[in-house]
Amino acid sequence: KAGVTQTPRYLIKTRGQQVTLSCSPISGHRSVSWYQQTPGQGLQFLFEYFSETQRNKGNFPGRFSGRQFSNSRSEMNVSTLELGDSALYLCASSLYDIQNEQFFGPGTRLTVL
Amino acid sequence: GENVEQHPSTLSVQEGDSAVIKCTYSDSASNYFPWYKQELGKRPQLIIDIRSNVGEKKDQRIAVTLNKTAKHFSLHITETQPEDSAVYFCAATTTNTGNQFYFGTGTSLTVIP
Repeated sequence: KAGVTQTPRYLIKTRGQQVTLSCSPISGHRSVSWYQQTPGQGLQFLFEYFSETQRNKGNFPGRFSGRQFSNSRSEMNVSTLELGDSALYLCASSLYDIQNEQFFGPGTRLTVL
Repeated sequence: GENVEQHPSTLSVQEGDSAVIKCTYSDSASNYFPWYKQELGKRPQLIIDIRSNVGEKKDQRIAVTLNKTAKHFSLHITETQPEDSAVYFCAATTTNTGNQFYFGTGTSLTVIP
């Protein structure tokens, strides 16, 4: 089975812009979660989607949003980018929920200038 | 919300020695505790997990123990090898509606040959 893929792998944006990141889960996996990883804050949970619905959400502002399509692929959107949004954004997929084994993608490295 | 603390932040051991990483959590409703290994430049990978109805789980050289009363869980790696060098993250979550995934701050383990 192919692993979790994320596109793009690298992205450079300027403050105020918006960005959309994409995640394709392992075939058959219905739960997709998103995480932000920074040297200062470590790994932080953004949200989880299942059956096209956001099921769980972390403590991030409304500028961070996501969606899931019927084929379980997911996108994450960040609007009005801030310098502090520079991070590695990881998505992970699992069969049904975040208490099943999660398989991470390689991440998208976002740099905000 | 939940608060997961992880110690130590760095750990150096001689090859063949054991390594122990400890995490504490605050929410007694947390019932799933995974451990992730992240090698430099790579994605996190689940190495072992434990649920609240189990006190200990072992997988070859890796074991995890859980003390629900004291609200702490520990990762034990025996007979360490250089390829065990990585950052290890603990995490905690619940099955409650709206649950999040809380990570510890990570332990950088170096195994000295």
